[in-house]
Amino acid sequence: DAKTTQPTSMDCAEGRAANLPCNHSTISGNEYVYWYRQIHSQGPQYIIHGLKNNETNEMASLIITEDRKSSTLILPHATLRDTAVYYCIVRRVVGGNEKLTFGTGTRLTIIP
Amino acid sequence: DGGITQSPKYLFRKEGQNVTLSCEQNLNHDAMYWYRQDPGQGLRLIYYSQIVNDFQKGDIAEGYSVSREKKESFPLTVTSAQKNPTAFYLCASRTSGSRYNEQFFGPGTRLTVL
Repeated sequence: DAKTTQPTSMDCAEGRAANLPCNHSTISGNEYVYWYRQIHSQGPQYIIHGLKNNETNEMASLIITEDRKSSTLILPHATLRDTAVYYCIVRRVVGGNEKLTFGTGTRLTIIP
Repeated sequence: DGGITQSPKYLFRKEGQNVTLSCEQNLNHDAMYWYRQDPGQGLRLIYYSQIVNDFQKGDIAEGYSVSREKKESFPLTVTSAQKNPTAFYLCASRTSGSRYNEQFFGPGTRLTVL
């Protein structure tokens, strides 16, 4: 199973861009990178996903390196509500069934 | 409003009792999932179901059981065989219409076994 490595915690000033790195050096060619976040004691929320091209949506941007061994989630203008645990996940498909394996994630704190 | 509901939000049980956690979705999703989360940890997959009347064990299924008699409902029973049942339990669902759709999560049930 492809494993991800993320820093345990990060701080970012409000209004600045938050850049969250993720290492997934054992990712297979057809496995997607997904990002979710979890605000304290709530269910995780989907943010974005990608395969090899950079992706952008209304919440964030995802930059994937050319060798696909790492990626960076970018929150362009962080607000206090972005304080959460961010999970980088390599999506597995086993027998046609999707499985997400959550690590311990990065605890992002936005500083006023 | 469409979404996933889990009830109750907090649940207390005595050791040795079975307890069933509810998960209902009105999103018309085919796939449903149960996860367990311990303090400071990520989510671990307990069971998942792709269609009605079918389900598979996840990574930590021992001590748990599920049923999928209706598309909308995927209840999880925590049995007395589960050694450390106190945890935060999360239910999720996903449409299988597209290969890349995300999982939608419910608000969770925090189970405490006394």
